[in-house]
Amino acid sequence: GEDVEQSLFLSVREGDSSVINCTYTDSSSTYLYWYKQEPGAGLQLLTYIFSNMDMKQDQRLTVLLNKKDKHLSLRIADTQTGDSAIYFCAETYTGGFKTIFGAGTRLFVKA
Amino acid sequence: DAGVTQSPTHLIKTRGQHVTLRCSPISGHKSVSWYQQVLGQGPQFIFQYYEKEERGRGNFPDRFSARQFPNYSSELNVNALLLGDSALYLCASSADPDKAAFFGQGTRLTVV
Repeated sequence: GEDVEQSLFLSVREGDSSVINCTYTDSSSTYLYWYKQEPGAGLQLLTYIFSNMDMKQDQRLTVLLNKKDKHLSLRIADTQTGDSAIYFCAETYTGGFKTIFGAGTRLFVKA
Repeated sequence: DAGVTQSPTHLIKTRGQHVTLRCSPISGHKSVSWYQQVLGQGPQFIFQYYEKEERGRGNFPDRFSARQFPNYSSELNVNALLLGDSALYLCASSADPDKAAFFGQGTRLTVV
């Protein structure tokens, strides 16, 4: 079936690294995404990785993809209080006609 | 460049009424998708349109319908509103369905 799972909460101290994990079920997915949502706002695309890649780095963000275990992670280096938000993992099915989202991980950054 | 724009931003409707939500994609994007996000959950896929044709439909009742216009903007219509339809409705656009999707700020619908 279609399912994307994430842990619900993560708390880190300012300046530490945050690692948010996600597992997905569709081995034929083409793109895997990380979106950020702040209170009352829409979704901001943070980064995405094509399914034939293992890693992608973009400034403070590092995405790791383990296709064998269907595991995706997002590492935020030097986490700041402004990074406090809900982070959604999502996968797009082959053919691109729909994207499945996880329930989101709420990141708390303590000063 | 303007991002994805949605209107209205907030809306209050009564049970049984009908609502129309609107979305303008990023210039040059031909694919538009609609999602429903209930408080505390991730977005749930409703529809995808590409080149004015429906390409995908999620597990939503027939009360939900949508269309895409020649300028690639889109409308989501919901008939016979229920209290459970209260949610943030998100529109996303992409250059084509196989490209990354960018979301608008959403329309918050409250049904009373």
